[in-house]
Amino acid sequence: DAGVTQSPTHLIKTRGQQVTLRCSPKSGHDTVSWYQQALGQGPQFIFQYYEEEERQRGNFPDRFSGHQFPNYSSELNVNALLLGDSALYLCASSLVSAANTGELFFGEGSRLTVL
Amino acid sequence: AQSVAQPEDQVNVAEGNPLTVKCTYSVSGNPYLFWYVQYPNRGLQFLLKYITGDNLVKGSYGFEAEFNKSQTSFHLKKPSALVSDSALYFCAVRLILTGGGNKLTFGTGTQLKVEL
Repeated sequence: DAGVTQSPTHLIKTRGQQVTLRCSPKSGHDTVSWYQQALGQGPQFIFQYYEEEERQRGNFPDRFSGHQFPNYSSELNVNALLLGDSALYLCASSLVSAANTGELFFGEGSRLTVL
Repeated sequence: AQSVAQPEDQVNVAEGNPLTVKCTYSVSGNPYLFWYVQYPNRGLQFLLKYITGDNLVKGSYGFEAEFNKSQTSFHLKKPSALVSDSALYFCAVRLILTGGGNKLTFGTGTQLKVEL
């Protein structure tokens, strides 16, 4: 049973560029959340997707956008990259029916470096 | 605002000794609390959760956590530490959001170092 998979694992961009990160949820899961983990900090909630719609959003600017596909996979897009966007981006999947009690399953993350 | 706090940036313990990683929470209503572990350059792995029921929760790799409502704490414990337990540990609280959905709010993390 494949867990949460993310790609790419590492990437380097320059300021002003755009990046797309991808995530495939754990088999059977229908909800995908994205988190940003800056160096030395805990993960911060970016947004959550269910039924191909953004359901909730954290305190992140509109430069951060996403998408969920019919097969539940998801993309995170960041436009006009800033140095401060350098971080580990984590995707987590879950079941909407287990929102109250189910744990989130995390991928290994995509390490973004902005130069 | 609902949050968790991890007061220790780092905990050092000798192998074979018991370990405790502290977490306190601030939530309205009943808390849903979690512990995750992160190894270097890896994602987060679920250890255990408290939803309701027994205050002592058992999880993966021999870890357990004690929920204490009066002290608003959810400390992670293990009776006998291993060098391989050395990692970054995060406490988190699940928030059920208005309009549907949910999110985890994480603490700042505690680096556990187990030495021979």
